[in-house]
Amino acid sequence: NAGVTQTPKFRVLKTGQSMTLLCAQDMNHEYMYWYRQDPGMGLRLIHYSVGEGTTAKGEVPDGYNVSRLKKQNFLLGLESAAPSQTSVYFCASSQLLVQHRVGETQYFGPGTRLLVL
Amino acid sequence: AQKITQTQPGMFVQEKEAVTLDCTYDTSDPSYGLFWYKQPSSGEMIFLIYQGSYDQQNATEGRYSLNFQKARKSANLVISASQLGDSAMYFCAIISGGYNKLIFGAGTRLAVHP
Repeated sequence: NAGVTQTPKFRVLKTGQSMTLLCAQDMNHEYMYWYRQDPGMGLRLIHYSVGEGTTAKGEVPDGYNVSRLKKQNFLLGLESAAPSQTSVYFCASSQLLVQHRVGETQYFGPGTRLLVL
Repeated sequence: AQKITQTQPGMFVQEKEAVTLDCTYDTSDPSYGLFWYKQPSSGEMIFLIYQGSYDQQNATEGRYSLNFQKARKSANLVISASQLGDSAMYFCAIISGGYNKLIFGAGTRLAVHP
């Protein structure tokens, strides 16, 4: 049971290049999320998905696109990378909310460190 | 909108002593959930503890407990008997706007000294 995995672990891009970050989970979770972490700012939500074929914008969606064609995978795309997108990217997943709980634990991948020159 | 404030950028504690990491929150939702995560230097995010707004008792998980004071809108993390391996960044987070989305605080860096 691998949990949440992310590829690649580290990438260097030049300004204007494109790339796709892949997130995979094997826990059959409905919800998946992409966050970015910048120094001193905690994690901020980029996009999220509440099920296969669905996506929605989070707090900082500009410059990113996402797709969830399969339940277990959530892809984050950068069409034209900018230095401001230098960050650590985390994927997370969680199960559906159950009736007696307000929140369910999110399980995180190991992160992808992206440097845009 | 929900907001999390962690006012302690850094804390240090002697090994085997207890330490409290502060977290205050702001929300207009009557029901909400609060989480604490640990991020060691290796970078992964590790879930520690959860408290629901309607939970009658403060949450505990091993050496971790959550001092939940609803009227003061605070959800402080207490680590008892600190260990060297507790040295890490600690993030408080609140459920925001449905679909289990989290809003994170800026974090507190804890250093445990021998």
